[in-house]
This record gives sequence, C-alpha cells and structure tokens, in this order.
Amino acid sequence: GESVGLHLPTLSVQEGDNSIINCAYSNSASDYFIWYKQESGKGPQFIIDIRSNMDKRQGQRVTVLLNKTVKHLSLQIAATQPGDSAVYFCAVGFRGSNDYKLSFGAGTTVTVRA
Amino acid sequence: NAGVTQTPKFRILKIGQSMTLQCTQDMNHNYMYWYRQDPGMGLKLIYYSVGAGITDKGEVPNGYNVSRSTTEDFPLRLELAAPSQTSVYFCASSYGPNTEAFFGQGTRLTVV
Repeated sequence: GESVGLHLPTLSVQEGDNSIINCAYSNSASDYFIWYKQESGKGPQFIIDIRSNMDKRQGQRVTVLLNKTVKHLSLQIAATQPGDSAVYFCAVGFRGSNDYKLSFGAGTTVTVRA
Repeated sequence: NAGVTQTPKFRILKIGQSMTLQCTQDMNHNYMYWYRQDPGMGLKLIYYSVGAGITDKGEVPNGYNVSRSTTEDFPLRLELAAPSQTSVYFCASSYGPNTEAFFGQGTRLTVV
C-alpha cells in the first residue's frame, strides 16, 4: 500500500514570502505525484503534478520538488498572496496488483498574513 | 464548460433513510471517482469506475453502491444512512488513473 503524510498540518506565511509545503510517502514504487489546492467550501483544484522520471517541475509561481531517495515531495509557492490561503493536499500514485491507486495526504492549511 | 457537477450541495438525512448523490461530467473522461472527506483528513476513495459498465471498490465502500450506465454519470447510493456517513462527498473524473482529476463542488451530508 501507500501512506502519505504531511509534515505540518498548518502553515502561516507573510504575504510576499515564499511558502514550502512538505509531503512524505512510503512506497518506493510510487510513480505519480500531484498537488491540489482546496479553498473553503469548494472541491480540490489541480495545481501541479510530477512523474517519477523527474525531480523538479515548475508552473506559474509554483515548483514541485521530488526526492525519491528519501521519499519526499514539496510544493513551493513564490511570493505568496492572500488568494493562496487554502488547504493543500499531496496525492501519490502507484500501481497495485489489480489497478492504479492514488493516496491522499491529510492536507496542510496555509494562512497568508497581510 | 461545466466540468464535474454534483447535486445536491447539502442534505440532511435521518438514520435509515436512503438517497442518491448525483454526479455528471462533460469532459468524456473514462475514469470517475467518489471520495469522502472527513474533518482534518485526506480524501478517502469510496468507489471508482474505469468506464461505462465497470465499477470497483475503493478504500471505504461499505454502506455505498454505485452504477455507471453512461460515460457521463456516476451516481452514489446510500441505502441505509448511518451517522458515520456524515461527511463531505466529492465526485471526480480524469482521463486516466495517473492524470489530473477534476473535482465537483462537493455534497455536505449530515445523518441525524
């Protein structure tokens, strides 16, 4: 199976600073990693993903880093804005015996201070 | 472009009642999923489907049933509601199992 854990359940960040959200996983066979953002009262929304053949991927103001050696994944948000306040989930995918499985972490609540 | 649409948004059920949560997507995705989200927890997979006519159990299927008669629709049925089923339910769809999933807005269900 797979267990996915986030290092901190909450993160408070000053507006304009960079945010780093961390995630650890247990299954070395995991090959797909994805970050979602969930605003209050809404469904999760895709931010960025990365596959196991890469160790870094960048999007608009976001970067995902993957360290397969220590089974660690992080999401970096540059110049954090008030609109970045949300719960952030990582999800990790691996191929099981019968199908492909995706396990979600519990989420990190990010609060941006003005 | 509607994406994934869930209805209803809120519902209160009495213990033992039944209901169906509706989910439809207009992106022609083969994969569809039902998750539940409890406070402070991640998403737990209830059921999923890899295409019309095919469904399979996820991590927490007990007390639920699903059907997938069309590519677009994936309803979730609760037959005998229990307080333990109080949760927020999300439907999602994706092109493949390891691709971006699109989520609906959620259904907040309370069983009393």
